[in-house]
Amino acid sequence: QKEVEQNSGPLSVPEGAIASLNCTYSDRGSQSFFWYRQYSGKSPELIMFIYSNGDKEDGRFTAQLNKASQYVSLLIRDSQPSDSATYLCAGRGNTPLVFGKGTRLSVIA
Amino acid sequence: EAQVTQNPRYLITVTGKKLTVTCSQNMNHEYMSWYRQDPGLGLRQIYYSMNVEVTDKGDVPEGYKVSRKEKRNFPLILESPSPNQTSLYFCASKLRWGGSQPQHFGDGTRLSIL
Repeated sequence: QKEVEQNSGPLSVPEGAIASLNCTYSDRGSQSFFWYRQYSGKSPELIMFIYSNGDKEDGRFTAQLNKASQYVSLLIRDSQPSDSATYLCAGRGNTPLVFGKGTRLSVIA
Repeated sequence: EAQVTQNPRYLITVTGKKLTVTCSQNMNHEYMSWYRQDPGLGLRQIYYSMNVEVTDKGDVPEGYKVSRKEKRNFPLILESPSPNQTSLYFCASKLRWGGSQPQHFGDGTRLSIL
């Protein structure tokens, strides 16, 4: 069973701080990883994807991938209350996308 | 506007009454997929389709059927709905199987089976 594991949270951070969201995966064949943000009752929306070891930055978001450790993370700098949502990690190799259960982030003003 | 459209958005129905949730995309995507989302269980894939007339089971296919007769449409059929199929359903599409293209999600369909 290919699995993607996330801490369900909630993860609470003060406004302006760095939020760090983590994800591990079991399938060593996984090649691409995605971070989706989902507001309550809404559909997931893609924030970042990464497929190479190392860091990938896009604005306030940085995705990090370590294939040797089977670990993916998402850093959100200068967290804002509008970042409060559930963040879904997903990975795929030659199989359909597998989602983690999500981490709920709460940014406190 | 590029989008994935699901209908209905909300439905309350009774056990055993067949229902269909439609999904349509206007992006000429080859790959389409259905998920259900339940509290504590996350997003679980029901069925997916890599192209017209090609469908395959996901992680939780029991009690569901799909068809892909046209590229743009991928309906989800519940032949005899039961209360354990009460859930939030999402249809998604992407350009093709594989690669790093993102999936585009519909707005969701909230089904309640009494």
